[in-house]
Amino acid sequence: QVQLVQSGASVKKPGSAVKVSCKASGGSFISYAINWVRQAPGQRLEWMGVIMPIFGAANYAPKFQGKVTITADKSTSTAYMDLSSLGSEDTAVYYCAAAAVAGTGGFDFWGQGTQVTVSS
Amino acid sequence: EIVLTQSPATLSLSPGERATLSCRASQSVRSSLAWYQQKPGQAPRLLIYDASKRAPGIPARFSGSGSGTDFTLTISRLEPEDFAVYFCQQRNNWLSITFGQGTRLDIK
Repeated sequence: QVQLVQSGASVKKPGSAVKVSCKASGGSFISYAINWVRQAPGQRLEWMGVIMPIFGAANYAPKFQGKVTITADKSTSTAYMDLSSLGSEDTAVYYCAAAAVAGTGGFDFWGQGTQVTVSS
Repeated sequence: EIVLTQSPATLSLSPGERATLSCRASQSVRSSLAWYQQKPGQAPRLLIYDASKRAPGIPARFSGSGSGTDFTLTISRLEPEDFAVYFCQQRNNWLSITFGQGTRLDIK
């Protein structure tokens, strides 16, 4: 059973960037693909991208290409999501979610969510 | 991008009743569909994967069915803790994952 703990809420200015962390414990970090999903107020969940720490390469949803960078540090079992050029439309709760590489195919474990508010 | 449309938007039922939630895909996703439950202030929880397989620890009252474009989540007898929002998710192409807009299950 993997536990994912995310960094705390933040308020950012338009045009700035934010970095959210997701630390895994209780399982093998390299056995999971770490996904990032956001939930804006009143909107459906939006998949942003995924990284497989065992390989280190990330893949992104077309909408987020060039705007998000996902990385992972195997030594600390932590994944990161960098979001740049923030606008009000980026105000959302951001979740990391782990999908077992040889598992259900669904997002088995989720972080608690990180509120990012973009406001001048 | 595959669009998932859930119906109804809101479902009002009483404990003990049967709930039937629908998810329709804009094109075939084969059986690559999952269902999640989300309660206020919490992250989603995986209920069903591959359209009909229960995730570990999920009670037997939850079941999923369907393939291609039409899917159903059924809760056989509602418990008080089942009142929440339910989302479907497709991963037919693992680089293009999308979610439905959700069905809110309210206590009548």
